[in-house]
Amino acid sequence: DAKTTQPPSMDCAEGRAANLPCNHSTISGNEYVYWYRQIHSQGPQYIIHGLKNNETNEMASLIITEDRKSSTLILPHATLRDTAVYYCIVRVAKGAQKLVFGQGTRLTINP
Amino acid sequence: DGGITQSPKYLFRKEGQNVTLSCEQNLNHDAMYWYRQDPGQGLRLIYYSHIVNDFQKGDIAEGYSVSREKKESFPLTVTSAQKNPTAFYLCASSITSQGSDEAFFGQGTRLTVV
Repeated sequence: DAKTTQPPSMDCAEGRAANLPCNHSTISGNEYVYWYRQIHSQGPQYIIHGLKNNETNEMASLIITEDRKSSTLILPHATLRDTAVYYCIVRVAKGAQKLVFGQGTRLTINP
Repeated sequence: DGGITQSPKYLFRKEGQNVTLSCEQNLNHDAMYWYRQDPGQGLRLIYYSHIVNDFQKGDIAEGYSVSREKKESFPLTVTSAQKNPTAFYLCASSITSQGSDEAFFGQGTRLTVV
C-alpha cells in the first residue's frame, strides 16, 4: 500500500470549512483513498473514500487531484464535535490487503 | 444490531500474565484486524486475518498471538513476552470481496499492566 503524508495538526474556526490535505505521491492506479477520523478514546470512524472522481456524502467531500498524488478532505461547516484525528489511507480495494494507518492530522475546531 | 464488539472496555493485569482480548463481529465480514495505539500516537497493525484459519503478522506482532477459528471471532492474546503491553487495543473488520470496503472499528479495550 502507498504511504501518505499529512500535517500533524490543524486548527479551524467553528462554522468555517476545514480543509485537510493528504499527499500520496506513490499511489497506484488501483488504490483508493480512504478517510477515517478518531475522536478521543474511541474507535476510528469511516468518513469517505474515492478512486478518481470527487466524492461527497453527508459528512464530507473528498477532492482528488487529476494526477491522484494528493487529496483534500473538506468538512464544509465544522463544528466542535469535528475535533478529532483524521487519517488518510490508500489501499487496493479488493483482496487480502493490510489496512495501515499513519499518524494522521489532529484537527481542532475553535469556538 | 450489527456491529463489532470488543470486551472488556478496561482490563487490568499483573506483569507476567497472559491476557486475551475479545473481538466479535456479526457483520459477516471476511477480514479482521488488531491494532495497538499508544497515547498521542497513530494506530499500529498487530495482526490481520482475511479468512478463517489464516492470519498474518502486522508491523508489531512480537509478543502477541491470535486465532481465527470462526469467521465472527478474532481474539488477541497479549503474552508475557510483550515488553510494554499497556496500551489501547482496537479491533476492526471489513469485507474483502467487494469493490471498495470500509472498515468498522470496535470501541477498544484499554489494557493496563501493573
